[in-house]
Amino acid sequence: DTEVTQTPKHLVMGMTNKKSLKCEQHMGHRAMYWYKQKAKKPPELMFVYSYEKLSINESVPSRFSPECPNSSLLNLHLHALQPEDSALYLCASSQGWGGGNSPLHFGNGTRLTVT
Amino acid sequence: SQQGEEDPQALSIQEGENATMNCSYKTSINNLQWYRQNSGRGLVHLILIRSNEREKHSGRLRVTLDTSKKSSSLLITASRAADTASYFCALGAGKSTFGDGTTLTVKP
Repeated sequence: DTEVTQTPKHLVMGMTNKKSLKCEQHMGHRAMYWYKQKAKKPPELMFVYSYEKLSINESVPSRFSPECPNSSLLNLHLHALQPEDSALYLCASSQGWGGGNSPLHFGNGTRLTVT
Repeated sequence: SQQGEEDPQALSIQEGENATMNCSYKTSINNLQWYRQNSGRGLVHLILIRSNEREKHSGRLRVTLDTSKKSSSLLITASRAADTASYFCALGAGKSTFGDGTTLTVKP
């Protein structure tokens, strides 16, 4: 088990649906991340939050909307997704975000299928 | 963003053998990190080695870093079937990203 909890583990949604992915950590980490991983590919960075403020948006389409309600929670709101958005979505946290100087702690991901 | 490149892409060995995988990079770094990912799971942090360190050990893992050659290696000794996974290096320099990884298969 990891110290970063992601829900749900699996999600199937239609292209017109709105859904949210949730991530929670209680390690007191101040940086949180969303990654997208396609099969047999490395994780690709989507967003970084540092001290609850969005620090990095890797030119992610607006149909993905991140939210950091507090230092322990990270959401990813999904709307009008495309089938090619089907992937494993990974949440991670680290003690700080000093440009990659802290180890990342990952959740086990949400397997998203867009139909 | 900076990215390491791992080689080989795939490695298949027998249980008990050692496995070595390499990571090369092109930029200056503060540190380099190695992660393991079992199929369909999240990544697990293995070791972080700082730019002023040359070698680091953790259990059966040994990581070396050669900043002059801009390369790092991860050695897993006495491998076990449970070591079957993908291994990624990540550069701790600015906005670090993951390379394509090495897929290790350890046959019982």
